Order: sequence, then C-alpha cells, then structure tokens
Amino acid sequence: QVQLVESGGVVVQPGGSLRLSCAASGFSFDTYGMHWVRRAPGKGLEWLAFIRYDGSHTSHADSVKGRLTISRDNSKNTLYLQMNSLRPEDTAVYYCAKDQEGRIDDGVMDGWGKGTTVTVSS
Amino acid sequence: EIVLTQSPGTLSLSPGERATLSCRASQTITGSYLAWYQLKPGQAPRLVIYGASRRATGIPDRFSGSGSGTDFTLTISRLEPEDFAVYSCQQYGSSPLTFGGGTKVEIK
Repeated sequence: QVQLVESGGVVVQPGGSLRLSCAASGFSFDTYGMHWVRRAPGKGLEWLAFIRYDGSHTSHADSVKGRLTISRDNSKNTLYLQMNSLRPEDTAVYYCAKDQEGRIDDGVMDGWGKGTTVTVSS
Repeated sequence: EIVLTQSPGTLSLSPGERATLSCRASQTITGSYLAWYQLKPGQAPRLVIYGASRRATGIPDRFSGSGSGTDFTLTISRLEPEDFAVYSCQQYGSSPLTFGGGTKVEIK
C-alpha cells in the first residue's frame, strides 16, 4: 500500500528557507516520478514541481522557479523540496504525490500524502 | 498554460441525489488527459477519475467522468455521505500541469 509522509513544515519568516521531505513506502520508489503540489488557504491545488523516477529530469512551475527545487534520494526512498526566499504567499499545505505510471512521465497522481503546513509570516 | 474553470463553486445536495460537476478548459486538452481528485480536510487527496472517464482503483461505479476537448464532467449518480468533499479537476496533457479551483459538494 502506497504511503507518503511529508514533514518539515513550520512557521518561517519571509525571506527564510526550508526543506520539506516526503518519506515513501509501499511501492518501488525508484520506479516512479514524483510531484509536489500545494494548496493555499481558500484556494485550489497548485502543481509545483516534478522529478523523473531516476532524477534525470525535473520541471518546476514558473511561479516558483528559482526559489523552489525538487530533488530525490532513491537510496533513502525520500523526496525533497528545497524552498528559498519564502514569501507570505507561499503559505500553504504542501503535498507530495506519486505518478501513476512507472518509468513514464505520466502526470496522473494516484498516491498522495496528507501534507505538511508551511506558514510564512513575521 | 491551460486554465481550468470549475462550476459551480458549491453544490448543495442531499444524500441519494445526483451531482454533476463541470470543468472547462481554456484550450483543448490533448488526449482527454483530464483527471479528477477528491479532497477532504486532513486527508490525502484521492484520485477519482483519469483519462476523462477511467475510474481509479477502488473508486465505486457511482462515479463517472465524461467529456473531451474543453468540456468535462464528473457525475456522482447517488451521493453517499462519504462523497461530500471538494473535487478538483487537473489536466496533464500540457505543461505545466494545472488544476481547477475546485467544486465543493456539501450536504443540503
């Protein structure tokens, strides 16, 4: 059974940095692409970033490019999101999600974590 | 980028009633690459439909998806108490991936 557990969400000041983690279990982590998605208060879901199963390719939403960076460590079954130069508008619940198809950049997210909350405030 | 507009924003219905949710795209979605997700507070989002009409694993057959091009629909034939939630559509045919703003299905 797919299990994804996000961690690292805290209250941080504007301009600060943070690294979120997503621990994966119950599937062959090194076979699937992974995503980060967020949901700000009162808003819809926003896709942030994708990383291919082997880490050979990443893509980021224009809105966060240069500030948020996705990475993974397949030896630790863990996905990361490095967040720099944080702004109040980055306040949201951050989810990691698993691509449905193995070894293919699919875009359908068939497994999600419960999310971790990041609050950017002074 | 493809903008997805969901309507209505809120749907107030009673258990046993039929729910019809709309997702309209600003441009044609390639290959009907449209998915629907169910969101509940404090829970992991859940994939409901992908490929516009294919039910995800474990999704009951009261859920159905339809549509192509720019207009898509999620239908819940008879609402069960556990179906009251927010539903979000997502397109994965073009980069960047985008989501709609969501439709809340609430108990009337």
